[in-house]
Amino acid sequence: EAGVVQSPRYKIIEKKQPVAFWCNPISGHNTLYWYLQNLGQGPELLIRYENEEAVDDSQLPKDRFSAERLKGVDSTLKIQPAELGDSAVYLCASSSSSLGGGLDTGELFFGEGSRLTVL
Amino acid sequence: GENVEQHPSTLSVQEGDSAVIKCTYSDSASNYFPWYKQELGKGPQLIIDIRSNVGEKKDQRIAVTLNKTAKHFSLHITETQPEDSAVYFCAASIRTYKYIFGTGTRLKVLA
Repeated sequence: EAGVVQSPRYKIIEKKQPVAFWCNPISGHNTLYWYLQNLGQGPELLIRYENEEAVDDSQLPKDRFSAERLKGVDSTLKIQPAELGDSAVYLCASSSSSLGGGLDTGELFFGEGSRLTVL
Repeated sequence: GENVEQHPSTLSVQEGDSAVIKCTYSDSASNYFPWYKQELGKGPQLIIDIRSNVGEKKDQRIAVTLNKTAKHFSLHITETQPEDSAVYFCAASIRTYKYIFGTGTRLKVLA
């Protein structure tokens, strides 16, 4: 079974340019996450989707970042315009279910990430 | 807000020795505690997890313990091997989806 697929793996752009990242989650996973990982830090949530609905985007800098998940499968994360401080790894993850409470937590499966360098 | 602290930030051990990484969390509502291993240039991969109704879990050379009263949990790796060298992240999850990650521990196993 294919894992979470992300592209591009690496991207170098000049500041103020736009950039987009794409993620294809594991088949059947209804929950999709975009995380930001700065060097030497743990992942930090940017946005979480349940199917095509963004249910938690409180940490997404909406002035320059946008995301979409059309048809509840693939997702794209866009930055426009990029700033020097956006240099980081952007990780996509998916899980089978996060609906409801209790102890039944779906495992997070991460992609290999997209490393962005803004010059 | 919610916070997960992880120590140490770096850890070097001789091959065959044990390694212990500790995390503390702030939100008592956390009920799921996974550990991830991240190798260079790759995404984090789950290696073991524990739920709040269990105090200890073991999987071959890896074990995790949870102290809910003190709000801390630990990863134990025994008989370390060079391929265990990586960055390890703990996380605490609230209501099945809100994962807060620690800052990571870079483990180096010396041959």
